[in-house]
Amino acid sequence: DAGVIQSPRHEVTEMGQEVTLRCKPISGHDYLFWYRQTMMRGLELLIYFNNNVPIDDSGMPEDRFSAKMPNASFSTLKIQPSEPRDSAVYFCATGTSGTVSYEQYFGPGTRLTVT
Amino acid sequence: LAKTTQPISMDSYEGQEVNITCSHNNIATNDYITWYQQFPSQGPRFIIQGYKTKVTNEVASLFIPADRKSSTLSLPRVSLSDTAVYYCLVGDYSNSGYALNFGKGTSLLVTP
Repeated sequence: DAGVIQSPRHEVTEMGQEVTLRCKPISGHDYLFWYRQTMMRGLELLIYFNNNVPIDDSGMPEDRFSAKMPNASFSTLKIQPSEPRDSAVYFCATGTSGTVSYEQYFGPGTRLTVT
Repeated sequence: LAKTTQPISMDSYEGQEVNITCSHNNIATNDYITWYQQFPSQGPRFIIQGYKTKVTNEVASLFIPADRKSSTLSLPRVSLSDTAVYYCLVGDYSNSGYALNFGKGTSLLVTP
């Protein structure tokens, strides 16, 4: 398996623009997580899905952020409109309830810069 | 999810054993302790997980005392490539769906 795939790897956009980050989970994994990492706040959980259903979105900073998982093979995190303080590395991670290790597998991340 | 406290940073020389201790005073009965490692420009990677006593794998050992209010990640004979951020997480993953709050972790710097 290719692991968790994220695109794009880097995104530079201007304030006010819409940004869409994409994630393809590992096949067979039923959990999908979106994280944001900054120097100031560390690695924060934004939202996670189980079997394509959002379970907890309490980490989503505000209404400008939205996430969807239309099927088991794809998820998006959208920011509209984007702001400079959204600049961060966004990680997608997946996992399966079929193991006792509760291990999450992270993608390479998307580095977002909002100018 | 139980709150954890770990040092912000640690330094070590190559070849030494490194022990990173994490405090989790309010750990619950069903909580597991998990450690992740993150290299620069990469996502975190699972290292080890335990519930009590000692767990060992090819990468590290995890020591958990009887009261489980702390845990120690032990890295034997570190090399320069062990320079990374190490995260300690505690939670009842069967209930929460193992949603994890990583925080800032411990930044380990290994020098020659």
